[in-house]
Amino acid sequence: KAGVTQTPRYLIKTRGQQVTLSCSPISGHRSVSWYQQTPGQGLQFLFEYFSETQRNKGNFPGRFSGRQFSNSRSEMNVSTLELGDSALYLCASSLVQVGNEQYFGPGTRLTVT
Amino acid sequence: AQKVTQAQTEISVVEKEDVTLDCVYETRDTTYYLFWYKQPPSGELVFLIRRNSFDEQNEISGRYSWNFQKSTSSFNFTITASQVVDSAVYFCALSEDLLTGGGNKLTFGTGTQLKVEL
Repeated sequence: KAGVTQTPRYLIKTRGQQVTLSCSPISGHRSVSWYQQTPGQGLQFLFEYFSETQRNKGNFPGRFSGRQFSNSRSEMNVSTLELGDSALYLCASSLVQVGNEQYFGPGTRLTVT
Repeated sequence: AQKVTQAQTEISVVEKEDVTLDCVYETRDTTYYLFWYKQPPSGELVFLIRRNSFDEQNEISGRYSWNFQKSTSSFNFTITASQVVDSAVYFCALSEDLLTGGGNKLTFGTGTQLKVEL
């Protein structure tokens, strides 16, 4: 089975711009979660989607949003980028049941200048 | 609120030494799940193990073993006869019951950087 894929792998944006990241889960996985990883804050949960609905949300400002499509693919969007948004954004997919292991993609490295 | 503590920021060992990575968690739920992930320099998080709160059996997988003790809220990870390829950052994580805001939300510890040298 193919693993979780994320595009693009690297991105450089300017403050104030917006960005959209994409994630394709493992086939058959219907839950997709997003995480932000920074040296200062570590790995932090952004949100989880299941059946095109946000099932859970972390403590991030409204500039961070996401969605899930009927084929379980997911996108996350960050509007009005700030320097502090520079991070590795990781997508993970899992089976629907709560507590299942999550499989992570390679991440998108976002740099905001 | 849930919390995961990995007090060891960095550990250096010589190849073939055994090493234990500590993980202490906090949760008010009776149903919860614990995980270990490995993050090599490439950056991708690799799933190692999952344990639910009702299963305190220790587990061994090759050179890896895990010790889950609810009495001390710990879920420690031991690598026996470490190898250079084990060098990575290791994360312990916790998820709680969906009804209490968990679901598939993972709360991670800060990670332990393991360096295995020849």
